[in-house]
Amino acid sequence: DSGVTQTPKHLITATGQRVTLRCSPRSGDLSVYWYQQSLDQGLQFLIQYYNGEERAKGNILERFSAQQFPDLHSELNLSSLELGDSALYFCASSDGQGSTGNTIYFGEGSWLTVV
Amino acid sequence: SQQGEEDPQALSIQEGENATMNCSYKTSINNLQWYRQNSGRGLVHLILIRSNEREKHSGRLRVTLDTSKKSSSLLITASRAADTASYFCGAGSYQLTFGKGTKLSVIP
Repeated sequence: DSGVTQTPKHLITATGQRVTLRCSPRSGDLSVYWYQQSLDQGLQFLIQYYNGEERAKGNILERFSAQQFPDLHSELNLSSLELGDSALYFCASSDGQGSTGNTIYFGEGSWLTVV
Repeated sequence: SQQGEEDPQALSIQEGENATMNCSYKTSINNLQWYRQNSGRGLVHLILIRSNEREKHSGRLRVTLDTSKKSSSLLITASRAADTASYFCGAGSYQLTFGKGTKLSVIP
């Protein structure tokens, strides 16, 4: 158990809908990262937050947004969902910004299926 | 663009043999981290190696880093059936980027 908690574990929704994925980082970790894993694209970095502020952006679509709250939990919002958004979404956390090489721990992921 | 790129894509070995996986990256990094993923599960952290380190060991795992060649390798010695999984290297400075992984099959 990495200590990173993600909910829901599984989600099935229709095209055009909006979903919210939730992440609780390890106790004390200030950085939260979101990743998308699909068969064709592999593991893609989406976005990082550090202590409530956006720190880095990767291949995140404009239809997707994220935030980190004062209690450090984070949410990833996916809207106008398309079939191609079906993937495993990971949250990860670390206790620093990542610049010094902090270990990044991953949650078990949220399986999103868009039908 | 992908930073960590694993090679080979798939590897099949007999139990007891050693398994070597490679990782290449494009730009300078602060650290490189190796992970294992069992099918459909989360990534389990194996080992972190910083850019000023050349080699690290953890149990049956040995990781090397060659910053001049922008490459790393993960060696699993005396493999077991339970090592069957996909292995990913994440490379970067502030966040890690990954390739598509190496799928390791250890045949009992």
